[in-house]
Amino acid sequence: RKEVEQDPGPFNVPEGATVAFNCTYSNSASQSFFWYRQDCRKEPKLLMSVYSSGNEDGRFTAQLNRASQYISLLIRDSKLSDSATYLCVVNRDTGRRALTFGSGTRLQVQP
Amino acid sequence: DAGVIQSPRHEVTEMGQEVTLRCKPISGHNSLFWYRQTMMRGLELLIYFNNNVPIDDSGMPEDRFSAKMPNASFSTLKIQPSEPRDSAVYFCASSFDWGSGNTIYFGEGSWLTVV
Repeated sequence: RKEVEQDPGPFNVPEGATVAFNCTYSNSASQSFFWYRQDCRKEPKLLMSVYSSGNEDGRFTAQLNRASQYISLLIRDSKLSDSATYLCVVNRDTGRRALTFGSGTRLQVQP
Repeated sequence: DAGVIQSPRHEVTEMGQEVTLRCKPISGHNSLFWYRQTMMRGLELLIYFNNNVPIDDSGMPEDRFSAKMPNASFSTLKIQPSEPRDSAVYFCASSFDWGSGNTIYFGEGSWLTVV
């Protein structure tokens, strides 16, 4: 089983739609969680951190469920510019490993 | 401020040749990471350094791969000899005190094609 799993998509949604992605992680010792965004042929960039209490940044909301070991990303009022691949990222602060990336979920927002 | 700088941006080389990828982390960052991205395997951590010391190289595929960080502002990833299956995008990333949950910042990547 992969350490971080995501539905690869693609998710094809119309402009203005609300879309949600989930990501599951296997290691219960994971401490920090992030969503990164990667545009085609570009480097990944931090979208937002995910806090235990949930957090919101404009149209984006991230949630963490430690009991079920998943995190989610909700995008409201989708824009064309939201089209990208969204990477779920998990960090085990203990031990020697650095950030572990999921394979990403591709979002295509259509006019 | 300059971000993570990688070179070359693109390289095409023949199988068996040596490839050297270079990275300059963000000034002041003390952690540096080398990742490889392919369609099949996604983003994989190859190695990371903390304060110029390799902490975890368990992701380095095999002995053909080596990485060095001679000082805080420079790192190299070397493949010798290169093989077609090494074709991928190689990202360098850096962070300050990443273990505290700080984010990491990626360079634009080095696109390697081995023919």
